[in-house]
Amino acid sequence: GQQVMQIPQYQHVQEGEDFTTYCNSSTTLSNIQWYKQRPGGHPVFLIQLVKSGEVKKQKRLTFQFGEAKKNSSLHITATQTTDVGTYFCYNNTNAGKSTFGDGTTLTVKP
Amino acid sequence: NAGVTQTPKFQVLKTGQSMTLQCAQDMNHNSMYWYRQDPGMGLRLIYYSASEGTTDKGEVPNGYNVSRLNKREFSLRLESAAPSQTSVYFCASSDLTGDGSPLHFGNGTRLTVT
Repeated sequence: GQQVMQIPQYQHVQEGEDFTTYCNSSTTLSNIQWYKQRPGGHPVFLIQLVKSGEVKKQKRLTFQFGEAKKNSSLHITATQTTDVGTYFCYNNTNAGKSTFGDGTTLTVKP
Repeated sequence: NAGVTQTPKFQVLKTGQSMTLQCAQDMNHNSMYWYRQDPGMGLRLIYYSASEGTTDKGEVPNGYNVSRLNKREFSLRLESAAPSQTSVYFCASSDLTGDGSPLHFGNGTRLTVT
């Protein structure tokens, strides 16, 4: 399938620090979706990026899609304890071949 | 509007037992999916159904069967459970498959096979 790789696997930050997770592919992606999974919960859709170089913001979250459409990033400014969870990227093209990244688990120390 | 409903929430099986995980969505979505998630790992696709009447294998289909009963319901069956199938199972649905429609997930079924 179309593999997307995420880094880092884990990130531990002090509350108020920034956080970034990266999603990379060796092939051009038609789109990238980001999901958040709280501990013990289920993945919840956050956003979709489609255009080359696209940048979208949701409050303290900034999502970017690379110019070559081979990478994406999610940046959280001034993390809060409510940001804890695992963030996944996903390329939704062909269900049988699309895969989720392994996720980046964020923990926030108050 | 319940979204995606999965039952049961928890299940413990002995090796060799069988069971069916149920999933229903009320969003009139065409596509439905079954994923498994092992501790500290991502989501791996078991089977999916692009539309009513069709099912296809995903990344890890061995040991599982599925039935798309109607547009709303998509069940996952373990015929002879094995300890390697201990996992959290998520059902998801989307308007269409492969067009970038967001996935909507159920709350999951936590399965332990002893």
